[in-house]
Amino acid sequence: DGGITQSPKYLFRKEGQNVTLSCEQNLNHDAMYWYRQDPGQGLRLIYYSQIVNDFQKGDIAEGYSVSREKKESFPLTVTSAQKNPTAFYLCASTPGVGQYFGPGTRLTVL
Amino acid sequence: AQSVAQPEDQVNVAEGNPLTVKCTYSVSGNPYLFWYVQYPNRGLQFLLKYITGDNLVKGSYGFEAEFNKSQTSFHLKNPSALVSDSALYFCAVIPRGFQKLVFGTGTRLLVSP
Repeated sequence: DGGITQSPKYLFRKEGQNVTLSCEQNLNHDAMYWYRQDPGQGLRLIYYSQIVNDFQKGDIAEGYSVSREKKESFPLTVTSAQKNPTAFYLCASTPGVGQYFGPGTRLTVL
Repeated sequence: AQSVAQPEDQVNVAEGNPLTVKCTYSVSGNPYLFWYVQYPNRGLQFLLKYITGDNLVKGSYGFEAEFNKSQTSFHLKNPSALVSDSALYFCAVIPRGFQKLVFGTGTRLLVSP
């Protein structure tokens, strides 16, 4: 899983609550990404950031928010507006071509 | 639209036999191509990539893949499967000029003893 850490590994949330997933990398990569993984659907891009203080929506950004205040950190907030947030969330970073992935956070809404 | 197809949800093979996991893509230009492997409740691990040059790419753990431009394919192969190779395999592409990976839906490889 390289130099990318995600925490927590498991997260439980009550409906109506916002939760924040942490992603940190010590690889000095400029670009970072958040994906959502659901069974049988592969990985879908939520948000990505190619440089500090800048980020772009991916394919399924609704109900999520991010920030990129530091190069090393790209936290993802799952808001109460996300209708079906239970999933496995993966963070990745890249120096250019190809991506390195963190170990993932499994979020379950109770 | 850019897309990657992995036509098999699951591939079953006996230990010691050769395996192939199929991947075809539809992107403009000449893409970068990747294979990743995922073990249960873990992140994706990089296996191999094709950027340019020799069409046969060798990667980790005895895996290799062949880029076939005319068939727009990038099938993953291993000449001798191990039980420990059982996992979920993802093919992915990056269209030239982009930084976003486009993933296939994954193929589960099950190697029986």
